[in-house]
Amino acid sequence: DIQMTQSPSSLSASVGDRVTITCRASQSISSYLNWYQQKPGKAPKLLIYAASSLQSGVPSRFSGSGSGTDFTLTISSLQPEDFATYYCQQSYSTPGITFGQGTRLEIK
Amino acid sequence: EVQLVESGGVVVQPGGSLRLSCAASGFTFDDYAMHWVRQAPGKGLEWVSLISWDGGSTYYADSVKGRFTISRDNSKNSLYLQMNSLRAEDTALYYCAKDISHSSGIMDVWGKGTTVTVSS
Repeated sequence: DIQMTQSPSSLSASVGDRVTITCRASQSISSYLNWYQQKPGKAPKLLIYAASSLQSGVPSRFSGSGSGTDFTLTISSLQPEDFATYYCQQSYSTPGITFGQGTRLEIK
Repeated sequence: EVQLVESGGVVVQPGGSLRLSCAASGFTFDDYAMHWVRQAPGKGLEWVSLISWDGGSTYYADSVKGRFTISRDNSKNSLYLQMNSLRAEDTALYYCAKDISHSSGIMDVWGKGTTVTVSS
């Protein structure tokens, strides 16, 4: 199985900050990398697919980049509603889909 | 409105069986592959199973292979997960999710989940 490792596991930031979350795959996954946001008590929400494509309806302050084994999710200017847990997920080896362990973004 | 609604989660004893259902609406159900994903209490997301648009291909995580069976009834716009030989480690919130296309692995619509608790 392809292992996905996110860093950091948790992060404190302030409204207006620029935030970057990193995801590393245990082997090359080309651009088959997706990002989800999950708020407490809610289902995950697709933010970015294919490493850098913004899902419809997602604010443009969210962006993704990377290919191969190293990927990043960037939030350009944190808004109060962005405090949540973020998961990366590889779809390279579908159906052997795997998620990262999550990054909890908290208010400083 | 595109919507997925899961049901069937209950408290069940170890070794027991359970069938989860997911009712889909607002999109052409038989155009898309579907997934089950679970989340143990306080833990991350774990992909469980995938079924192709026509039900002809099914796939499972190693942790559930041989115990769980995914199926769908396109005439009823419904997805199912038959869970047998349940273990304590199967305790989780189970989500159904729509694939963005034919088994891409990208999940663009999620239900709110149904809770399965395996305990004596």
